[in-house]
Amino acid sequence: QSVLTQPPSVSAAPGQKVTISCSGSSSNIGNNYVSWYQQLPGTAPKLLIYDNNKRPSGIPDRFSGSKSGTSATLGITGLQTGDEADYYCGTWDSSLSPVFGGGTKLTVL
Amino acid sequence: QVQLQESGPGLVKPSQTLSLTCTVSGGSISSGSYYWSWIRQPAGKGLEWIGRIYTSGSTNYNPSLKSRVTISVDTSKNQFSLKLSSVTAADTAVYYCARWLQLEVGRDWFDPWGQGTLVTVSS
Repeated sequence: QSVLTQPPSVSAAPGQKVTISCSGSSSNIGNNYVSWYQQLPGTAPKLLIYDNNKRPSGIPDRFSGSKSGTSATLGITGLQTGDEADYYCGTWDSSLSPVFGGGTKLTVL
Repeated sequence: QVQLQESGPGLVKPSQTLSLTCTVSGGSISSGSYYWSWIRQPAGKGLEWIGRIYTSGSTNYNPSLKSRVTISVDTSKNQFSLKLSSVTAADTAVYYCARWLQLEVGRDWFDPWGQGTLVTVSS
């Protein structure tokens, strides 16, 4: 059971927008920054968002992040079939460890 | 551009010690204020942080694995390593190494990651 809670799956049509939620507590998200990772099928996770809402170089602005209280959200606009992947949120926890969500599988219908 | 590559046996017997090495290329493991970390992912499941090491040799481990984990670094080879003792089938997973930047406690992220290596625990 993951410390951070994500929906197991989300889906949307190409060109549409989707959001993925990540719920935690004051022990983790509430007092720390959130990062997001994209894991394409059969590949390693890749940093998508850091510092709640910053994108590394090379990540398109179709991807966005936000945080409010003890929850964070990843948004993806202009969905493409190449966005089909598992998405993970991560943050620091008061247990003195980084923790991750259980992952959300995005299907582009 | 820094790249990481895991290596080690893909099959380990129960009760034995899992040993993996991560080789860093494209930059020195000693440059910058980075931690070097291990993360694992059982098939069809989420990510679990195992531990980290700084180039000074300072380490931190996941409390749930602490009694069985040792992470070490060899700066002369630009490598860091993982040892996990007394393994069981529950330790079967893809193991990733990753660079971890922690600007301050609570403000951190993993980038980049190695491609991962599957380790199966079975007799």
